[in-house]
Amino acid sequence: NAGVMQNPRHLVRRRGQEARLRCSPMKGHSHVYWYRQLPEEGLKFMVYLQKENIIDESGMPKERFSAEFPKEGPSILRIQQVVRGDSAAYFCASSPRDGNNYGYTFGSGTRLTVV
Amino acid sequence: TQLLEQSPQFLSIQEGENLTVYCNSSSVFSSLQWYRQEPGEGPVLLVTVVTGGEVKKLKRLTFQFGDARKDSSLHITAAQPGDTGLYLCAGAGTGGFKTIFGAGTRLFVKA
Repeated sequence: NAGVMQNPRHLVRRRGQEARLRCSPMKGHSHVYWYRQLPEEGLKFMVYLQKENIIDESGMPKERFSAEFPKEGPSILRIQQVVRGDSAAYFCASSPRDGNNYGYTFGSGTRLTVV
Repeated sequence: TQLLEQSPQFLSIQEGENLTVYCNSSSVFSSLQWYRQEPGEGPVLLVTVVTGGEVKKLKRLTFQFGDARKDSSLHITAAQPGDTGLYLCAGAGTGGFKTIFGAGTRLFVKA
């Protein structure tokens, strides 16, 4: 299976806990994008990473949110001290190059519920 | 700020009918993509259009990119229940890194 793998599919956290979302891009893809989707809405851009570099994080809140894409291993989106408003579906996408003109391959998402 | 507006937001039709959904912006995009998303899953890329005025066909789906590269349309001929889903347009800005998404058109095709 060479698709974009996200885990976990579902994550429940209590307010104040940390959430870690993982994304393994398609084989051969070195560009990773994270998007957030609220029910009945489109996807909101959060961050764009290449291996070991954050290229564009303009859509990511300055506090509590961070992302990384290390040389080895999956990309991680980390949310510290979660609040109820963080509840959403978080999607990761990858592309073999800057995907703007080629489109992305998305994973199935992680649905975060903060209780 | 670049925005993509999709219309209609919701569409419920009978099997066999034709439909068109629209994606509009005041900004110019270097390309536009259309995705289809089913409940509980990630979006799946249907097509990318790059050239102003470009028309692409995918079986019963026809995609058009406006001449000025500010808008796009998706036309479905003889819709089937399997076409049910959320259709999202996405635009890649000129000179920018991120692709932005419209809010989507939710299509329901009744058998």
